[in-house]
Amino acid sequence: EAQVTQNPRYLITVTGKKLTVTCSQNMNHEYMSWYRQDPGLGLRQIYYSMNVEVTDKGDVPEGYKVSRKEKRNFPLILESPSPNQTSLYFCASILGGFGPGTRLTVL
Amino acid sequence: GESVGLHLPTLSVQEGDNSIINCAYSNSASDYFIWYKQESGKGPQFIIDIRSNMDKRQGQRVTVLLNKTVKHLSLQIAATQPGDSAVYFCAESGASDTGRRALTFGSGTRLQVQP
Repeated sequence: EAQVTQNPRYLITVTGKKLTVTCSQNMNHEYMSWYRQDPGLGLRQIYYSMNVEVTDKGDVPEGYKVSRKEKRNFPLILESPSPNQTSLYFCASILGGFGPGTRLTVL
Repeated sequence: GESVGLHLPTLSVQEGDNSIINCAYSNSASDYFIWYKQESGKGPQFIIDIRSNMDKRQGQRVTVLLNKTVKHLSLQIAATQPGDSAVYFCAESGASDTGRRALTFGSGTRLQVQP
């Protein structure tokens, strides 16, 4: 089954504690991206990747890092999370398939 | 910067009626548009897409219309069903000067289907 998976689905952490949200797709797609979704602001793109080792900033990249060492994985890294990064995060493959979401709370 | 927006935050329709959800975009370089449906607790689900060289595309019970002159996009749902109740997002994509391609979403319209 073609799918995008994310882990963890839920995470509560504290300010400044580094975390990584993993994203994996089994469709051999080149394009992957990360979004955050906040009430009243809709979905905003954080970073995207056109292919392995090719990443670019989206609309709200501050405070986030990504890597694309292999085609199937596109982890989102928060080096020093802050409360304003509390949000619902979605990983997506190409322009259509979204993962189930990761709800992150930063205390 | 460029933005994608929606005219109505909430749309309420009777079951069986047709629904029309509208979207305005401002990036004249956008060449690819997508409509998504998001149900509570789930990720956005692809519904239908359209490229800028087209002005209409039909799927199963859905039609997307693109008016490039006024930068307007609409999603029409025929014979709306209770299962259509969700938030609908339009999104636009266009290649930047560097060839990179990002996807920008509107803020969403909530469709409520009354039985």
